[in-house]
Amino acid sequence: QKEVEQDPGPLSVPEGAIVSLNCTYSNSAFQYFMWYRQYSRKGPELLMYTYSSGNKEDGRFTAQVDKSSKYISLFIRDSQPSDSATYLCAPGRRALTFGSGTRLQVQP
Amino acid sequence: GAGVSQSPRYKVAKRGQDVALRCDPISGHVSLFWYQQALGQGPEFLTYFQNEAQLDKSGLPSDRFFAERPEGSVSTLKIQRTQQEDSAVYLCASSLVSGSSGNTIYFGEGSWLTVV
Repeated sequence: QKEVEQDPGPLSVPEGAIVSLNCTYSNSAFQYFMWYRQYSRKGPELLMYTYSSGNKEDGRFTAQVDKSSKYISLFIRDSQPSDSATYLCAPGRRALTFGSGTRLQVQP
Repeated sequence: GAGVSQSPRYKVAKRGQDVALRCDPISGHVSLFWYQQALGQGPEFLTYFQNEAQLDKSGLPSDRFFAERPEGSVSTLKIQRTQQEDSAVYLCASSLVSGSSGNTIYFGEGSWLTVV
């Protein structure tokens, strides 16, 4: 079993849609959960992170962690074409483990 | 510089050739990371430095891979006798201290290596 599993997509949605991106992980010791965004031919950039279980909101983005089921989610409200990118989940505080990434395409 | 700088951006190597990839981290950043990212995959951790000390090299796939950071700033990832499976994007990242809450890891744009 891989340490982090993530649906690869691609996920194509119309502008304004609500997007849900998800990962599962296996190591129950993880306390920090990062989401990175990676545009084509660029390096990943940290989007947001959460600590332990619960929700964290930042503008149109909400990160959610359910440690009991080892499930992490990123929600994007009112999605924009500029959100088109690959989204990587990375449990753990030192960015040692990444999911395979979900490619998102927001159609104008 | 303003961000993590990597060179070369693109490298085509013949199988068996040695390559060296350079990373110039953000000034003052103590921690430096190298990752390998295959097409359609997430980054895979290779190695980690704190200043000049290589604290973790557990991700290096073989002894053909070698990384150094002799003065605690610029780092070089060297791949000897390249093979086709080494074709990937090599990402460098740095952070002020060891990656943790409040210490964001900043990535460079990567060095795209193609072995033919």
